[in-house]
Amino acid sequence: EDQVTQSPEALRLQEGESSSLNCSYTVSGLRGLFWYRQDPGKGPEFLFTLYSAGEEKEKERLKATLTKKESFLHITAPKPEDSATYLCARGIREKLTFGTGTRLTIIP
Amino acid sequence: DGGITQSPKYLFRKEGQNVTLSCEQNLNHDAMYWYRQDPGQGLRLIYYSQIVNDFQKGDIAEGYSVSREKKESFPLTVTSAQKNPTAFYLCASSRTGANEKLFFGSGTQLSVL
Repeated sequence: EDQVTQSPEALRLQEGESSSLNCSYTVSGLRGLFWYRQDPGKGPEFLFTLYSAGEEKEKERLKATLTKKESFLHITAPKPEDSATYLCARGIREKLTFGTGTRLTIIP
Repeated sequence: DGGITQSPKYLFRKEGQNVTLSCEQNLNHDAMYWYRQDPGQGLRLIYYSQIVNDFQKGDIAEGYSVSREKKESFPLTVTSAQKNPTAFYLCASSRTGANEKLFFGSGTQLSVL
């Protein structure tokens, strides 16, 4: 069964305190691993796509990495505006399967 | 600006009533999707369409119906057969549908009166 598991469910950090979010998945048929950011009451906003183990992508304070069975979203020196829910999704054929997300709160 | 427009932002349904959620895109994308989001759960796929006049059921299609008569439009009808319709509904599109990034609308919150 296709499954995407994100951990932790929620994470509270002090401003400037770096950490990582995890996304693990079943491997068969993987055709891309996607990260999105979602603010309350809004639609998700695309961040990154990763396709092969060892691939890394960066955007401002965020860096996404991919291994054979999991992906990490590293956040370096976060600011309060980075508070959001971060979703990962894996592609198989023409569909994306989403995880339940990590709710990140950055405390000033 | 190009994007996806969902309307209304909030919608209330009475018992036994069908309601239709609107989704329009001006990105010239071929593929369009409907997801449902419940608190504490991931986005679940209801229906998707990769070309005009064709659509496929997703993981939770029961109690929903769609049409794709125009490339730009992909309305979702929540029928009276959907017994638990309260949720946040998200429409999305992608250029070809072949595992590309999705562009999402701002969502419709549906509640039952």
